[in-house]
Amino acid sequence: KNEVEQSPQNLTAQEGEFITINCSYSVGISALHWLQQHPGGGIVSLFMLSSGKKKHGRLIATINIQEKHSSLHITASHPRDSAVYICAVRSAGTASKLTFGTGTRLQVTL
Amino acid sequence: DTEVTQTPKHLVMGMTNKKSLKCEQHMGHRAMYWYKQKAKKPPELMFVYSYEKLSINESVPSRFSPECPNSSLLNLHLHALQPEDSALYLCASSPTGDRGLANYGYTFGSGTRLTVV
Repeated sequence: KNEVEQSPQNLTAQEGEFITINCSYSVGISALHWLQQHPGGGIVSLFMLSSGKKKHGRLIATINIQEKHSSLHITASHPRDSAVYICAVRSAGTASKLTFGTGTRLQVTL
Repeated sequence: DTEVTQTPKHLVMGMTNKKSLKCEQHMGHRAMYWYKQKAKKPPELMFVYSYEKLSINESVPSRFSPECPNSSLLNLHLHALQPEDSALYLCASSPTGDRGLANYGYTFGSGTRLTVV
């Protein structure tokens, strides 16, 4: 079993739909990251969470430390949101490593 | 400057060549990372440098040789690679912090797409 599990693996939505991507992890963490990667491209950090909820534009990320679960929500989805969304957890330490989930491939159609 | 810059963006090399990938950041981050990413897979950690010293080597073959000549620059020297080493190589950086201080994030570069022929 992977230390970081994401669901769904693939997601197709119509423009305007509300989207939720889930992440569960089984290890102790100091922070959880939500990342976005467009095809063939580099990775953009969307959120870093250690508790509660964060919002940036149409994106909302939540984390429940007790349940070891995080969600990424996209409101009013748009075709430009089409990308792979990756959950990654960070262990404690001064230069600690990220453990990545397998990613959720999102396609938003018109 | 809030970016991690990687050069070159694309590289094709033969199995007998020697080449280097370069990563640069001017955010004052003292932790820098190399990741390897195969198609449709998550990134895999290769190396971590902390304060210009190698702190993590994830059992990477010696044909990959990292170097951190100063706090802004991270290199990955390549020699005698195999076709299966073809991948996207990502560099990242982050501030370092005390244990338990989670309020610091990663910045990733856009990667070097390497093809070994």
